Formats: sequence, C-alpha cells, structure tokens
Amino acid sequence: GENVEQHPSTLSVQEGDSAVIKCTYSDSASNYFPWYKQELGKRPQLIIDIRSNVGEKKDQRIAVTLNKTAKHFSLHITETQPEDSAVYFCAARVDNDMRFGAGTRLTVKP
Amino acid sequence: EAGVAQSPRYKIIEKRQSVAFWCNPISGHATLYWYQQILGQGPKLLIQFQNNGVVDDSQLPKDRFSAERLKGVDSTLKIQPAKLEDSAVYLCASSLAPQGTYEQYFGPGTRLTVT
Repeated sequence: GENVEQHPSTLSVQEGDSAVIKCTYSDSASNYFPWYKQELGKRPQLIIDIRSNVGEKKDQRIAVTLNKTAKHFSLHITETQPEDSAVYFCAARVDNDMRFGAGTRLTVKP
Repeated sequence: EAGVAQSPRYKIIEKRQSVAFWCNPISGHATLYWYQQILGQGPKLLIQFQNNGVVDDSQLPKDRFSAERLKGVDSTLKIQPAKLEDSAVYLCASSLAPQGTYEQYFGPGTRLTVT
C-alpha cells in the first residue's frame, strides 16, 4: 500500500518568515494530495489540496507543489502568523486508500 | 451545513471492557471513514464505507474491532475487548463520494483512554 513520509516533525519559525513542509509518497498511482491543519484538541481541517494533473496550487499565503517524477509534494506558508501554529498533515490517495503522514508541528513565534 | 457529529467526545474504560462510538456524517455523504489517531501520529484509516457496504477494512483489527453502517447513514465503531494500545482519538469523516469529490470532512473525534 501507499506509504507517506513527512518532514520535519517539528518546525519553529519567526512570525513573518516562511515555512516549508515536505512529504514523499511511494505509490506512483496516487492522484490526490490534501493538506490538513489540526489545532490542539480539534479536528483536522483541509487547508489546500492538489491533484496529480497539476504541479502547483496557491491560495493566499498557502501554496502546494507536486513533483510526480520524484514523488514528493510540499506545503509552503508565507508571511507566517501565530495563528498558523498547529500540526499539519499531508496525505496521498490512490483509489480508495488515503494515507497520512505523521505530521509536522509548526510553531510560529511572535 | 451541519458537520460530522460524533459521540461521545471522551471515554475512559478499563482494559478488556467494551466501548462503542457513534458517527453521523454530513447529510448526503455516501462515504464514511473511521480513523484511529494515536497521539503524535497521523490518522490511520480503520474502515471505509460506501453507503452501507465496506470498501476497505484492511487495517481494521478484526479480532477486536467491528463497525457497521446498517442504513447507509449513521455508523458505529466497537472495540471488544479494549487494550491499552487502543488509547487514541477515533475520528469519523465523510465525503460525497470516494472519487467524485475528494474532500473528507472530519468530525471532532472521540478521545478514548484505556487504563
């Protein structure tokens, strides 16, 4: 089955800096790559997603890039704010099978 | 629209006891998922339903876990008997369809502590 690895496990940045979280996947048939944000004690919420026929997608301060050849995708957050502090999960889906990465705890220091 | 509902929100049981969790998906969502999220890890899919049929239960520990979605709407997940390593948050999610609309909406989860 699909295997998703996520790095780094923790990331601390200064407010206003950029943050980048990277994920790799194993199954070349994966065609959908969502990113979820999970604040402490709350449910995961979708923040952005990308499909395999697209290389990059942007939504305000958040962007995701996908490199199908290398089987990796990344989340980019620019101009980080303290409210961006949370755990971020990447996921990759092939057919009905969605596998999540282990998560990255992002801390944005004011 | 109303979100995915789950109950209870918290449950503490002793090992070898039984426990059941309930999920009500977003109205009209045909696909329902149960995930186990152990502290510090990403969600792990336990079982996926399409209407009232099981699509994927390959990661469900079937010797102790069971789930049903009899009328294709609400679902229950049961653990019998519970083990210490079952302590986790159990998340229910739903989507319109597994392929047609990909986004999964998560419920608030049930935090299970097994002592």
